[in-house]
Amino acid sequence: DAGVTQSPTHLIKTRGQQVTLRCSPKSGHDTVSWYQQALGQGPQFIFQYYEEEERQRGNFPDRFSGHQFPNYSSELNVNALLLGDSALYLCASSLFRGGRYEQYFGPGTRLTVT
Amino acid sequence: SQQGEEDPQALSIQEGENATMNCSYKTSINNLQWYRQNSGRGLVHLILIRSNEREKHSGRLRVTLDTSKKSSSLLITASRAADTASYFCAPLTQGGSEKLVFGKGTKLTVNP
Repeated sequence: DAGVTQSPTHLIKTRGQQVTLRCSPKSGHDTVSWYQQALGQGPQFIFQYYEEEERQRGNFPDRFSGHQFPNYSSELNVNALLLGDSALYLCASSLFRGGRYEQYFGPGTRLTVT
Repeated sequence: SQQGEEDPQALSIQEGENATMNCSYKTSINNLQWYRQNSGRGLVHLILIRSNEREKHSGRLRVTLDTSKKSSSLLITASRAADTASYFCAPLTQGGSEKLVFGKGTKLTVNP
């Protein structure tokens, strides 16, 4: 049973560029959440997708957008990259309903903006 | 969702000793979860304790919850070098796929 997978593992981009990160949820899960973790900080919630719609959103600008596909996988897009976007981006999957509240995290994508 | 505040921010112990870290929160909860993060990697769910539970065990982990004090503690017994990681608590108000709000965590170092 594959867990949550993310690609790529590492990424280096230049200011102003755009980036797309990808996530495949754990088998059987239908909900994907994205988090940004700066060095030395806890993960910060970006947004959550369920049934191909954004259900919840954290305090992130519109430069951050996402998508969920019919197979529940998800993408995180960041436009007009800033130096401050350098962080570990984590994807977590879960079941929207069913009484199981645990979220399963992927290994993350380390984004460096130069 | 609400943010949990972990305390202490850093903890250094010797292998074999017990490690205790605490989490405080502000409003009533449905459940509280603890996660572990090894350096630069994804978070791993450790244990969930529901608001009507006072104590829960999982292997070398013991979690307590005091809803009157709005606090929880995570005890790791007989610690190992592999327990070196950051530990985060996540209090959930409703449950379900509620977003997790993390504090800065407790950075535990277990020295061999």
